Amino acid sequence: DAGVIQSPRHEVTEMGQEVTLRCKPISGHNSLFWYRQTMMRGLELLIYFNNNVPIDDSGMPEDRFSAKMPNASFSTLKIQPSEPRDSAVYFCASSFSENYEQYFGPGTRLTVT
Amino acid sequence: GESVGLHLPTLSVQEGDNSIINCAYSNSASDYFIWYKQESGKGPQFIIDIRSNMDKRQGQRVTVLLNKTVKHLSLQIAATQPGDSAVYFCAESPNQAGTALIFGKGTTLSVSS
Repeated sequence: DAGVIQSPRHEVTEMGQEVTLRCKPISGHNSLFWYRQTMMRGLELLIYFNNNVPIDDSGMPEDRFSAKMPNASFSTLKIQPSEPRDSAVYFCASSFSENYEQYFGPGTRLTVT
Repeated sequence: GESVGLHLPTLSVQEGDNSIINCAYSNSASDYFIWYKQESGKGPQFIIDIRSNMDKRQGQRVTVLLNKTVKHLSLQIAATQPGDSAVYFCAESPNQAGTALIFGKGTTLSVSS
């Protein structure tokens, strides 16, 4: 298995632009998680899905952030408009269920100038 | 100016020494615990897990100890190697529907040769 796949690995964009991060979970996993990691705040859970349905989005910073999971093999995290304070590494993880071991992708390093 | 950010606990050891990384968890109802290792530039990777009906579990060079009385978890690494240098996170599963794994802040392990 290829593991969790994220794209792009690096993204540099200007403030105000739309950013879309993509994730392909491990086949057969029913839960998908989006995290943000910064030096200031550490690893933060943004949102997670069970069976493609958003369960907890209380970690989403504000309305500029949105996430979708149109099917079991694909999810997106969108930031519109992006701001410099959104600069971070964004991880996607998947698992068999919300209470089980999570497998993390390699992350997307986002830089907003 | 001085940078401000998370001040993760740091453990510095010599190559060949044994390392012990500690974690206090929050929920007495949590029934599943995981240790993750995050190397620089990578996503967190599973090391070892333990269920609440056990108080010790051993892997290759690693041992996890669980003390439910004081809600404490520890990771012991035998014969620490430079490749063990990383940030280590503990995670707990609250065993509640609609609640995902809760990650700790992390501990930085630095191994010098």
